[in-house]
Amino acid sequence: DIVMTQTPLSLSVTPGQPASISCKSSQSLLHSDGKTSLYWFLQKPGQSPQLLIYEVSNRFSGVPDRFSGSGSGTDFTLKISRVEAEDVGVYYCMQSIQLPPTFGQGTKVEIK
Amino acid sequence: QVQLVQSGAEVKKPGSSVKVSCKASGGTFSSHAISWVRQAPGQGLEWMGGIISIFGRTNYAQKFQGRVTITADESTSTAYMELSSLRSDDTAVYYCARSILSRYYDILSGYYNTWGQGTRVTVSS
Repeated sequence: DIVMTQTPLSLSVTPGQPASISCKSSQSLLHSDGKTSLYWFLQKPGQSPQLLIYEVSNRFSGVPDRFSGSGSGTDFTLKISRVEAEDVGVYYCMQSIQLPPTFGQGTKVEIK
Repeated sequence: QVQLVQSGAEVKKPGSSVKVSCKASGGTFSSHAISWVRQAPGQGLEWMGGIISIFGRTNYAQKFQGRVTITADESTSTAYMELSSLRSDDTAVYYCARSILSRYYDILSGYYNTWGQGTRVTVSS
């Protein structure tokens, strides 16, 4: 299975400040069709996961533009330009280049 | 907008089976896949398997092979996940998630844009 490694595992951020989460995969996530199968989800407390970013850098419908994704191959980053109180929760990266899809361990973001 | 509505919480004995349902409200499964992801208490997300219902094609994580069965009923837009030989470490919240496929035959080609509310399964003697 492809191993997804996130850092840091927790993050405490002052509102209005930026935040960044790294995700590294044990194999390249570049598909033969040219797309990269890397996704970001946020699981808010007590809720189901919700899709933030698909294929590395595409914001899903309704996701604020303070969220951005970047990276290629095996190294990826999720950035929040200005953290707001509603952004608290656990962020997961996920690969779906190969069965089974696998998730990172999660990064817990809290507000200072 | 499609919503996925899952069945209610279950308490099961070790060795028994559980069957969780996931109904698409306001839409269908056509050209989509349904995957099942579980989350043990305080833990991360784990993909169990999925189905492309229009073909009835399933894929399962090797870890669950032989214990999990995923089915779908297109007529009722409902997917099911049955897990057998339950153990205490199967205690978890089980989520269904719908993905829109860019390659209709490939369960990996979509992204999970819609999730169910989760079903808590507790395995305890």
